[in-house]
Amino acid sequence: KNEVEQSPQNLTAQEGEFITINCSYSVGISALHWLQQHPGGGIVSLFMLSSGKKKHGRLIATINIQEKHSSLHITASHPRDSAVYICAVGESGGSNYKLTFGKGTLLTVNP
Amino acid sequence: NAGVTQTPKFRILKIGQSMTLQCTQDMNHNYMYWYRQDPGMGLKLIYYSVGAGITDKGEVPNGYNVSRSTTEDFPLRLELAAPSQTSVYFCASGVFNSPLHFGNGTRLTVT
Repeated sequence: KNEVEQSPQNLTAQEGEFITINCSYSVGISALHWLQQHPGGGIVSLFMLSSGKKKHGRLIATINIQEKHSSLHITASHPRDSAVYICAVGESGGSNYKLTFGKGTLLTVNP
Repeated sequence: NAGVTQTPKFRILKIGQSMTLQCTQDMNHNYMYWYRQDPGMGLKLIYYSVGAGITDKGEVPNGYNVSRSTTEDFPLRLELAAPSQTSVYFCASGVFNSPLHFGNGTRLTVT
């Protein structure tokens, strides 16, 4: 079973700062997902990636398959970025498609 | 498209009562999932389905049952509710190796 570790668990930043959230996993995967959950809210998918880097607006996700590590970066952070960010990995191989989730990183961006 | 619709949003049950959490998706996704989210923990898979008529247990299936008679619907049944089932429940859907789409969650309290 894959173990997914996120760091830090909690992160407080000032508006405009550059944010990095890290995710490490223990065994090979088919893909890695970054999700966002606002307090009391639903969960939305930000990125799915299996290699390299993806960018969407101020968000950038990178993955290093050899090191089993991914990072989520937020440039020019804003209070509306305050949320829990969750890393999840998909099992490698087979037709069943199940994800293992990290515990999440709570980001608070102060104005 | 409505996406993934979960009902109800909130529910309070007494110990020993039963209930069904409803989940419907209109995206013709073959994969559907039920997760529970407990404070400080990652999402845990309860049951999943790879298509109509096919279901399988996840990590924490005890105390729950599911059925998948149609592609669209994936209800989760709680029999004999226990305080340990107090949690936030999320339904999700997707296709193989693609981002998941989540419902807005059901907050269940068992007292």
